[in-house]
Amino acid sequence: DVKVTQSSRYLVKRTGEKVFLECVQDMDHENMFWYRQDPGLGLRLIYFSYDVKMKEKGDIPEGYSVSREKKERFSLILESASTNQTSMYLCASIPQGSYNEQFFGPGTRLTVL
Amino acid sequence: SQKIEQNSEALNIQEGKTATLTCNYTNYSPAYLQWYRQDPGRGPVFLLLIRENEKEKRKERLKVTFDTTLKQSLFHITASQPADSATYLCALTYGNQFYFGTGTSLTVIP
Repeated sequence: DVKVTQSSRYLVKRTGEKVFLECVQDMDHENMFWYRQDPGLGLRLIYFSYDVKMKEKGDIPEGYSVSREKKERFSLILESASTNQTSMYLCASIPQGSYNEQFFGPGTRLTVL
Repeated sequence: SQKIEQNSEALNIQEGKTATLTCNYTNYSPAYLQWYRQDPGRGPVFLLLIRENEKEKRKERLKVTFDTTLKQSLFHITASQPADSATYLCALTYGNQFYFGTGTSLTVIP
């Protein structure tokens, strides 16, 4: 059974903290994505990566960075968390050359106080 | 940029009826259009994909249509059940980019 896992389901952080969200997939997929989901705004792409050590900005990269040191792991970093980054964060992956079904993780509900 | 609109209102239907959800888009037609189901507090789960040269796709009680002239996809759930209650998202694929709608919340009333 294919799987995308995220390090935390719920996370509470304080303004200014550095936050790491981890995503791991066991499907040997080349492409991985980070989205945030907010009511009325849908899923918005933050960053994606199509290979190890490669990254591309999505629609809303400001305030975020990413790291992809290993194929199976894609990390989202909030350098200095702010209250407007309170959101649901979703990781997804797909194999190279296939832009069909995305496999999503369970999501991390981040609250920044 | 691409704009995707789904039924903005929540949809409530009686068990056993057919639910029809709408996904409209602007600009050029995508190579693929997908539908996902999302339960509260969970990640989306893929349901169906339809290609730009396909008119209709079926899977069990689900049916998707794709009209590139109208720039619209319809998603049908026949013989709906309370377990079908969820938010349904459409997503368009252009090259290596995915664009998601905001989703339609469906409640099937027993």
